[in-house]
Amino acid sequence: AQSVTQLDSQVPVFEEAPVELRCNYSSSVSVYLFWYVQYPNQGLQLLLKYLSGSTLVKGINGFEAEFNKSQTSFHLRKPSVHISDTAEYFCAVSDRLRNTDKLIFGTGTRLQVFP
Amino acid sequence: GAVVSQHPSRVICKSGTSVKIECRSLDFQATTMFWYRQFPKKSLMLMATSNEGSKATYEQGVEKDKFLINHASLTLSTLTVTSAHPEDSSFYICSVSGGSDTQYFGPGTRLTVL
Repeated sequence: AQSVTQLDSQVPVFEEAPVELRCNYSSSVSVYLFWYVQYPNQGLQLLLKYLSGSTLVKGINGFEAEFNKSQTSFHLRKPSVHISDTAEYFCAVSDRLRNTDKLIFGTGTRLQVFP
Repeated sequence: GAVVSQHPSRVICKSGTSVKIECRSLDFQATTMFWYRQFPKKSLMLMATSNEGSKATYEQGVEKDKFLINHASLTLSTLTVTSAHPEDSSFYICSVSGGSDTQYFGPGTRLTVL
């Protein structure tokens, strides 16, 4: 079985500061990794995903994430955040060997950007 | 990516009534759709996988007779919460499988059962 851990439920940060949102996963098989963002009362939007290849993945809105297989981590980073980045961020995994898109989500991290 | 809509966006109903939520893929033919439930300040919990033209596959612990799913066409899946109770109040989100291990999510439906 797979699981995703997002250790930080909330991350407060000032505008233009760098931020890192942590994600660790547990799986007995190879996985695909995703970060989604959810703005208030909206569905989820894909930020970025790691399927294979380069372990550093760049996404939309200036976000990037690095896949670290040895540490089973996929932390999300942004060098300079904006007020508009305030949202809930979810890390997710899927089993790359199964022919399914089923996602397992972490509990989410609320990023709060202050002026 | 695919554009996914949900209707209604909000619904309030009395306990004991049934509520139907629609999920539409506006520009993409989706053979597979997913239904999630999200509790306040909690993660998304996959309820079921909806496959066009066949029965849905429910996750462990999800009552099939309580949450009826119909995926009658490549662009429409419906979730019916039968005999709703206050504990069914939640945010229900659908997604469309877009291939390449990507899902496109709808905006969600807020269900409040009084």
